[in-house]
Amino acid sequence: GDSVTQMEGPVTLSEEAFLTINCTYTATGYPSLFWYVQYPGEGLQLLLKATKADDKGSNKGFEATYRKETTSFHLEKGSVQVSDSAVYFCALRAHSGGGADGLTFGKGTHLIIQP
Amino acid sequence: EAQVTQNPRYLITVTGKKLTVTCSQNMNHEYMSWYRQDPGLGLRQIYYSMNVEVTDKGDVPEGYKVSRKEKRNFPLILESPSPNQTSLYFCASSAIPRTGELFFGEGSRLTVL
Repeated sequence: GDSVTQMEGPVTLSEEAFLTINCTYTATGYPSLFWYVQYPGEGLQLLLKATKADDKGSNKGFEATYRKETTSFHLEKGSVQVSDSAVYFCALRAHSGGGADGLTFGKGTHLIIQP
Repeated sequence: EAQVTQNPRYLITVTGKKLTVTCSQNMNHEYMSWYRQDPGLGLRQIYYSMNVEVTDKGDVPEGYKVSRKEKRNFPLILESPSPNQTSLYFCASSAIPRTGELFFGEGSRLTVL
């Protein structure tokens, strides 16, 4: 079945540091890939997405590139802020095939940014 | 404002007392789904619905029921809750099955004593 693997953390960085959160996936076919963010006490919000190989999703200074050859979708940001502290989820959604329809999530990475 | 609304946001109940968590979306989405979030396990899908009167099991459906009588509503029913159903529950909806992003509600934290 489909699966998503991401570093679980917590990941602690200083403000203005460079961020990378690794995400790799296993899926049949060519899934759409997503990064969601969950701030404390809130639901999940879509951060960015990519629907085909080599697409780059970007939003709020975050970027991720859909790499089919390495089955990866790593999240990066050049300079993090305290307000980026949250839990980040990598997810995929299959385009076809049998089985349940919905997002398959990684376990989430807790990011803590210190001033 | 486009949104997915869940109620209640917080609930403490006792084993065996039936409860329903409501979910409503105002985006005219065909697809709706329920997830539970547990520490160390991430989010797991409970049930989903591709359209009115069409529901299917997700990865962890045991102990739950759903119904989809109207397009906008997708309630989650726990007929006889047990402590292992203590969790944070999220409802989500999507306009495009299989490829589109999901829009999530704010979550319902359920404690079963």
